[in-house]
Amino acid sequence: GAVVSQHPSRVICKSGTSVKIECRSLDFQATTMFWYRQFPKQSLMLMATSNEGSKATYEQGVEKDKFLINHASLTLSTLTVTSAHPEDSSFYICSARGAVTSYEQYFGPGTRLTVT
Amino acid sequence: AQSVTQLDSHVSVSEGTPVLLRCNYSSSYSPSLFWYVQHPNKGLQLLLKYTSAATLVKGINGFEAEFKKSETSFHLTKPSAHMSDAAEYFCAVSRPEGYSTLTFGKGTMLLVSP
Repeated sequence: GAVVSQHPSRVICKSGTSVKIECRSLDFQATTMFWYRQFPKQSLMLMATSNEGSKATYEQGVEKDKFLINHASLTLSTLTVTSAHPEDSSFYICSARGAVTSYEQYFGPGTRLTVT
Repeated sequence: AQSVTQLDSHVSVSEGTPVLLRCNYSSSYSPSLFWYVQHPNKGLQLLLKYTSAATLVKGINGFEAEFKKSETSFHLTKPSAHMSDAAEYFCAVSRPEGYSTLTFGKGTMLLVSP
């Protein structure tokens, strides 16, 4: 149980376009979802926390207008990178938690974004 | 505030020898502590966690960790390394309450040679 999926696993987009990444909890209701960014050979940096039905809380230094987060249901959160630039290229990982997971975070497999 | 220091960026061992990955934490409260493993281009998998119960925690794949409050440490060990253990390992800390966020260390790459 407690499986989290992400789609797509890899995406390449052109500079200036927007790209949407989905995070789904497949077998539990996720009251909270998290979005992380991981640069090569570095740790995970929390970008934002989203609670279902509420606006996301962004970490300091993360542009909320550039990284749009929507958590419209208890099983789906989306991250949209708007007007992407090459410096946005990174590995994006989501995690989800809920009552059934005893509020422990379960991580998705990640999405590799490359902006050309 | 909370933070995690993973003392080694890389650890190399031979297959069949013991593994020790070091983690020290800093927090102003009694923390929850976690070890995660990440294989290339994959998400994180929880190995084990400490949440104020037994100080010696056993996890999956033969890993265990011991919480030592006096040393503010939570080192990860395994008696005998397998080739499949080669991966990146992250130590993380959070507040003990269920609604807390995780703070990760910078990771330790474990290399296992035949």
